[in-house]
Amino acid sequence: NAGVTQTPKFQVLKTGQSMTLQCAQDMNHEYMSWYRQDPGMGLRLIHYSVGAGITDQGEVPNGYNVSRSTTEDFPLRLLSAAPSQTSVYFCASSQGTIRSNTQYFGPGTRLTVL
Amino acid sequence: QQPVQSPQAVILREGEDAVINCSSSKALYSVHWYRQKHGEAPVFLMILLKGGEQKGHDKISASFNEKKQQSSLYLTASQLSYSGTYFCGTAGMDSSYKLIFGSGTRLLVRP
Repeated sequence: NAGVTQTPKFQVLKTGQSMTLQCAQDMNHEYMSWYRQDPGMGLRLIHYSVGAGITDQGEVPNGYNVSRSTTEDFPLRLLSAAPSQTSVYFCASSQGTIRSNTQYFGPGTRLTVL
Repeated sequence: QQPVQSPQAVILREGEDAVINCSSSKALYSVHWYRQKHGEAPVFLMILLKGGEQKGHDKISASFNEKKQQSSLYLTASQLSYSGTYFCGTAGMDSSYKLIFGSGTRLLVRP
Protein backbone atom coordinates (compact mmCIF):
# COMPACT_ATOMS: atom_id res chain seq x y z
CA ASN A 1 0.00 0.00 0.00
CA ALA A 2 1.21 3.49 -0.84
CA GLY A 3 -0.91 4.99 1.97
CA VAL A 4 -1.72 8.68 1.47
CA THR A 5 -0.02 10.38 -1.46
CA GLN A 6 0.09 14.07 -2.31
CA THR A 7 1.20 15.96 -5.40
CA PRO A 8 2.99 18.19 -6.01
CA LYS A 9 5.59 18.25 -3.21
CA PHE A 10 6.49 21.88 -3.86
CA GLN A 11 4.64 24.67 -5.69
CA VAL A 12 5.19 28.37 -6.22
CA LEU A 13 2.24 30.50 -7.34
CA LYS A 14 1.69 34.13 -8.10
CA THR A 15 -1.07 36.03 -6.35
CA GLY A 16 -4.37 35.44 -8.08
CA GLN A 17 -3.44 32.14 -9.72
CA SER A 18 -5.50 29.04 -9.09
CA MET A 19 -4.35 25.48 -8.60
CA THR A 20 -5.38 22.09 -7.30
CA LEU A 21 -3.49 20.08 -4.70
CA GLN A 22 -3.98 16.38 -5.26
CA CYS A 23 -4.51 13.79 -2.53
CA ALA A 24 -5.16 10.07 -2.90
CA GLN A 25 -5.32 7.11 -0.54
CA ASP A 26 -5.42 3.38 -1.26
CA MET A 27 -6.66 2.16 2.13
CA ASN A 28 -10.39 2.45 1.32
CA HIS A 29 -10.80 5.01 4.11
CA GLU A 30 -14.10 6.81 4.36
CA TYR A 31 -12.80 9.92 6.11
CA MET A 32 -10.36 12.34 4.46
CA SER A 33 -9.24 15.79 5.49
CA TRP A 34 -7.03 18.73 4.58
CA TYR A 35 -4.91 20.67 7.06
CA ARG A 36 -2.60 23.61 6.71
CA GLN A 37 0.45 24.12 8.90
CA ASP A 38 2.10 27.51 9.20
CA PRO A 39 5.65 27.89 10.55
CA GLY A 40 5.87 27.06 14.25
CA MET A 41 2.18 26.37 14.47
CA GLY A 42 -0.14 23.45 14.71
CA LEU A 43 -2.39 21.90 12.12
CA ARG A 44 -5.57 23.73 11.20
CA LEU A 45 -8.44 21.85 9.57
CA ILE A 46 -9.53 23.30 6.22
CA HIS A 47 -12.15 20.85 4.90
CA TYR A 48 -13.06 17.25 5.50
CA SER A 49 -15.10 14.51 3.88
CA VAL A 50 -16.88 11.54 5.43
CA GLY A 51 -17.39 9.73 2.13
CA ALA A 52 -17.80 10.17 -1.60
CA GLY A 53 -20.07 13.11 -2.33
CA ILE A 54 -20.01 14.44 1.25
CA THR A 55 -17.79 17.33 2.32
CA ASP A 56 -17.89 19.95 5.05
CA GLN A 57 -15.94 22.93 6.34
CA GLY A 58 -13.27 22.86 9.01
CA GLU A 59 -11.73 25.73 10.98
CA VAL A 60 -10.26 27.75 8.09
CA PRO A 61 -12.23 27.01 4.87
CA ASN A 62 -12.18 30.45 3.22
CA GLY A 63 -10.36 30.55 -0.10
CA TYR A 64 -10.46 26.77 -0.59
CA ASN A 65 -12.84 24.38 -2.32
CA VAL A 66 -13.03 20.60 -2.14
CA SER A 67 -14.98 17.82 -3.77
CA ARG A 68 -15.02 14.06 -3.32
CA SER A 69 -16.19 12.12 -6.34
CA THR A 70 -14.45 8.86 -5.38
CA THR A 71 -13.41 7.21 -2.12
CA GLU A 72 -9.75 7.42 -3.12
CA ASP A 73 -9.34 11.07 -4.13
CA PHE A 74 -9.84 14.34 -2.27
CA PRO A 75 -8.42 17.34 -4.18
CA LEU A 76 -8.07 20.80 -2.64
CA ARG A 77 -8.57 23.81 -4.92
CA LEU A 78 -7.22 27.26 -4.32
CA LEU A 79 -9.48 29.61 -6.27
CA SER A 80 -7.35 32.77 -6.26
CA ALA A 81 -4.10 32.33 -4.37
CA ALA A 82 -3.06 34.92 -1.77
CA PRO A 83 0.25 35.30 0.12
CA SER A 84 -1.63 34.37 3.33
CA GLN A 85 -2.10 30.89 1.85
CA THR A 86 1.64 30.24 1.90
CA SER A 87 1.84 27.14 4.05
CA VAL A 88 2.46 23.41 4.15
CA TYR A 89 -0.67 21.46 3.28
CA PHE A 90 -1.28 17.97 4.64
CA CYS A 91 -3.93 15.55 3.52
CA ALA A 92 -4.98 12.76 5.88
CA SER A 93 -7.32 9.79 5.93
CA SER A 94 -8.98 7.65 8.55
CA GLN A 95 -11.14 4.55 8.74
CA GLY A 96 -14.51 5.48 10.20
CA THR A 97 -15.11 8.47 12.41
CA ILE A 98 -12.06 10.56 13.14
CA ARG A 99 -12.74 10.87 16.84
CA SER A 100 -11.95 7.24 17.58
CA ASN A 101 -9.59 6.22 14.78
CA THR A 102 -6.02 6.76 13.67
CA GLN A 103 -5.41 9.43 11.07
CA TYR A 104 -2.73 8.78 8.44
CA PHE A 105 -1.03 11.81 6.96
CA GLY A 106 0.42 12.31 3.50
CA PRO A 107 3.93 13.77 3.04
CA GLY A 108 2.66 17.31 2.48
CA THR A 109 2.74 19.98 -0.22
CA ARG A 110 4.84 23.05 0.46
CA LEU A 111 3.12 26.03 -1.22
CA THR A 112 4.56 29.52 -1.64
CA VAL A 113 2.41 32.35 -2.96
CA LEU A 114 4.31 35.40 -4.17
CA GLN B 1 -11.76 25.67 20.12
CA GLN B 2 -8.03 24.95 20.04
CA PRO B 3 -6.59 22.91 22.95
CA VAL B 4 -3.74 24.43 24.94
CA GLN B 5 -0.46 22.54 25.19
CA SER B 6 2.27 23.00 27.78
CA PRO B 7 5.15 23.40 27.93
CA GLN B 8 5.82 25.03 24.55
CA ALA B 9 9.32 23.57 24.46
CA VAL B 10 11.49 21.25 26.53
CA ILE B 11 15.10 20.12 26.34
CA LEU B 12 16.15 16.82 27.86
CA ARG B 13 19.26 14.73 28.25
CA GLU B 14 18.98 11.21 26.93
CA GLY B 15 17.40 8.99 29.58
CA GLU B 16 15.43 11.78 31.29
CA ASP B 17 11.66 11.92 31.54
CA ALA B 18 9.17 14.49 30.29
CA VAL B 19 5.46 15.20 30.57
CA ILE B 20 3.50 17.09 27.92
CA ASN B 21 0.07 18.41 28.80
CA CYS B 22 -3.01 19.17 26.73
CA SER B 23 -6.04 21.02 28.03
CA SER B 24 -9.41 21.86 26.51
CA SER B 25 -12.28 24.09 27.55
CA LYS B 26 -14.90 21.89 25.91
CA ALA B 27 -16.22 18.42 26.69
CA LEU B 28 -14.07 15.86 24.92
CA TYR B 29 -14.75 12.47 23.39
CA SER B 30 -11.11 11.69 22.69
CA VAL B 31 -7.57 13.04 22.73
CA HIS B 32 -5.08 12.09 20.02
CA TRP B 33 -1.29 12.44 20.19
CA TYR B 34 1.00 12.82 17.19
CA ARG B 35 4.73 13.41 16.76
CA GLN B 36 6.20 15.35 13.87
CA LYS B 37 9.85 15.50 12.93
CA HIS B 38 11.18 18.47 11.03
CA GLY B 39 10.10 18.45 7.39
CA GLU B 40 7.99 15.32 7.80
CA ALA B 41 4.33 14.45 8.25
CA PRO B 42 2.80 13.93 11.70
CA VAL B 43 2.86 10.32 12.89
CA PHE B 44 0.23 8.77 15.13
CA LEU B 45 1.17 7.90 18.72
CA MET B 46 -1.98 7.33 20.77
CA ILE B 47 -5.71 7.84 21.10
CA LEU B 48 -7.35 8.13 24.50
CA LEU B 49 -11.11 7.78 24.46
CA LYS B 50 -13.80 8.72 26.90
CA GLY B 51 -14.45 5.73 29.07
CA GLY B 52 -10.82 4.69 29.39
CA GLU B 53 -10.02 2.91 26.12
CA GLN B 54 -6.60 3.58 24.64
CA LYS B 55 -5.13 2.75 21.27
CA GLY B 56 -1.59 3.12 20.09
CA HIS B 57 2.12 2.98 20.77
CA ASP B 58 3.08 0.42 23.41
CA LYS B 59 6.24 2.30 24.45
CA ILE B 60 4.48 5.57 25.21
CA SER B 61 1.98 6.17 27.98
CA ALA B 62 -0.65 8.81 28.40
CA SER B 63 -3.60 9.70 30.58
CA PHE B 64 -6.97 11.36 29.99
CA ASN B 65 -8.81 13.11 32.82
CA GLU B 66 -12.36 13.29 31.48
CA LYS B 67 -13.61 15.52 34.30
CA LYS B 68 -10.93 18.15 33.72
CA GLN B 69 -10.72 17.68 29.91
CA GLN B 70 -6.99 17.25 30.23
CA SER B 71 -4.51 14.76 28.85
CA SER B 72 -0.85 14.16 29.56
CA LEU B 73 1.75 12.34 27.50
CA TYR B 74 4.53 10.66 29.47
CA LEU B 75 7.90 10.18 27.81
CA THR B 76 10.12 8.08 30.04
CA ALA B 77 13.80 7.21 29.59
CA SER B 78 13.89 9.47 26.55
CA GLN B 79 15.87 8.51 23.49
CA LEU B 80 17.38 10.73 20.80
CA SER B 81 14.65 9.53 18.44
CA TYR B 82 11.99 11.13 20.67
CA SER B 83 13.02 14.59 19.46
CA GLY B 84 10.35 16.38 17.47
CA THR B 85 7.18 18.36 17.94
CA TYR B 86 4.29 16.72 19.78
CA PHE B 87 0.73 17.69 18.98
CA CYS B 88 -2.45 16.84 20.75
CA GLY B 89 -5.67 16.77 18.81
CA THR B 90 -9.06 16.85 20.48
CA ALA B 91 -12.43 15.58 19.32
CA GLY B 92 -15.42 17.10 21.05
CA MET B 93 -18.61 15.42 22.17
CA ASP B 94 -20.49 17.60 19.67
CA SER B 95 -18.85 16.25 16.50
CA SER B 96 -17.58 12.94 15.19
CA TYR B 97 -15.78 14.57 12.30
CA LYS B 98 -13.42 17.29 13.50
CA LEU B 99 -10.04 16.85 15.14
CA ILE B 100 -8.65 20.18 16.38
CA PHE B 101 -4.94 20.38 17.11
CA GLY B 102 -2.96 22.34 19.66
CA SER B 103 0.03 24.46 18.67
CA GLY B 104 2.54 21.80 19.67
CA THR B 105 5.35 21.12 22.14
CA ARG B 106 8.90 21.04 20.79
CA LEU B 107 11.04 18.37 22.42
CA LEU B 108 14.80 18.14 21.98
CA VAL B 109 16.68 15.19 23.43
CA ARG B 110 20.44 15.68 23.66
CA PRO B 111 23.12 12.99 24.16
